[in-house]
Amino acid sequence: GAVVSQHPSWVICKSGTSVKIECRSLDFQATTMFWYRQFPKQSLMLMATSNEGSKATYEQGVEKDKFLINHASLTLSTLTVTSAHPEDSSFYICSARAMQETQYFGPGTRLLVL
Amino acid sequence: LAKTTQPISMDSYEGQEVNITCSHNNIATNDYITWYQQFPSQGPRFIIQGYKTKVTNEVASLFIPADRKSSTLSLPRVSLSDTAVYYCLVGPYNTDKLIFGTGTRLQVFP
Repeated sequence: GAVVSQHPSWVICKSGTSVKIECRSLDFQATTMFWYRQFPKQSLMLMATSNEGSKATYEQGVEKDKFLINHASLTLSTLTVTSAHPEDSSFYICSARAMQETQYFGPGTRLLVL
Repeated sequence: LAKTTQPISMDSYEGQEVNITCSHNNIATNDYITWYQQFPSQGPRFIIQGYKTKVTNEVASLFIPADRKSSTLSLPRVSLSDTAVYYCLVGPYNTDKLIFGTGTRLQVFP
């Protein structure tokens, strides 16, 4: 199947700093990429959907100014958590898909904000 | 999107067949049923997708009755490495919005 990578796999940062997470589709062109968040023992929650070259569409309750999403190419999307706080500590997972195809998920990025 | 209900957890032993049932009473005519597997600290992995009757691949089988109000994921001869959370999702074919429910936490014992 298609491969999606994320970088970094884990990150620890101080409160108030910004963190950027990259999501790449390695062997296909992703017209759409998605960002999810998962807290311990909970299910995945969709945060936003981004199409290449367009602004991301955020789910209700997700602050677009705090979670900046850029989808500049068909193989790369980035999520920047701005001014991170301890409550932003979570497991962030991206997924990507080509037109009308199945979503393929990345391995996730664990963020710990101290 | 149709809401799904699954058992929170299940236990099994190696070599047994495991059947996980998902209820989706409000499934729409154009909805498909998709199952994902998630290991700890990893992203979900697509297992199988179906619309009606039976679908089988190298990993699992998916049984869907005629009324489509439920579905059963069948894992033949599970091993320890099948210990994971299994999510049942219902929605239009390859929809953008994947709504993950609570999932079923399968624990396989030696």
